[in-house]
Amino acid sequence: EVQLVESGGGLVRPGESVRLSCAASGFTFSNHYMHWVRQSPGKGLEWISFISNSGNQKSYVGSLKGRFTISRDNANNSLFLEINGLRGEDTGVYYCARRLLGPFGLDVWGQGTTVIVS
Amino acid sequence: QSALTQPASLSGSPGQSITISCSGTTRDSHGYNYVSWYQQRPGKAPQLILYDVKSRPSGVSSRFSGSSSGDTASLTISGLQAEDEADYYCASYTSDNLFFGGGTKLIVL
Repeated sequence: EVQLVESGGGLVRPGESVRLSCAASGFTFSNHYMHWVRQSPGKGLEWISFISNSGNQKSYVGSLKGRFTISRDNANNSLFLEINGLRGEDTGVYYCARRLLGPFGLDVWGQGTTVIVS
Repeated sequence: QSALTQPASLSGSPGQSITISCSGTTRDSHGYNYVSWYQQRPGKAPQLILYDVKSRPSGVSSRFSGSSSGDTASLTISGLQAEDEADYYCASYTSDNLFFGGGTKLIVL
């Protein structure tokens, strides 16, 4: 079964850091670009970042550049997102998602991990 | 490009067709339009229902269709069913950035 499982969320204090993980299974992880998307409580989806299949290319939404770092470990089928200097507005559910091979679409999503900054 | 514009909410009766618009999409330097649509039910992760404007992933009902004209993409759901009640998000990928619409809450009366 193709699956993404996020972990690492929880209650964190403002200014602290958190490292979110996304464990992939059921597909060849190293073939796919991967994305992080977040959703604040009661709000819409906000794209955060993507990383290429090799890890050589990364992109971040402009407003979050500098505090967020995406990385991956293809040997262990894992994706990561490190967030530094956490703020209240970072509170939300963080999803990892797999990009289709070729066309653009995020076809597999994890269940999300919740970060509460307070 | 900033966030895409969608109607905040729409409603329809079972069996009807509804169309959700998404304005502000842009094409890449080759003129390609990377628009995708996602359905999100309460408490669940989003699910891809259309990519590249009008292509459906395997397993997605043919009742979902997409189109694009100018800077506006559209999602049409035909033969509305109670299970279609959800939030719908469009997304546009360009210049290594992904932009989501604000989301449309679809209410099935």
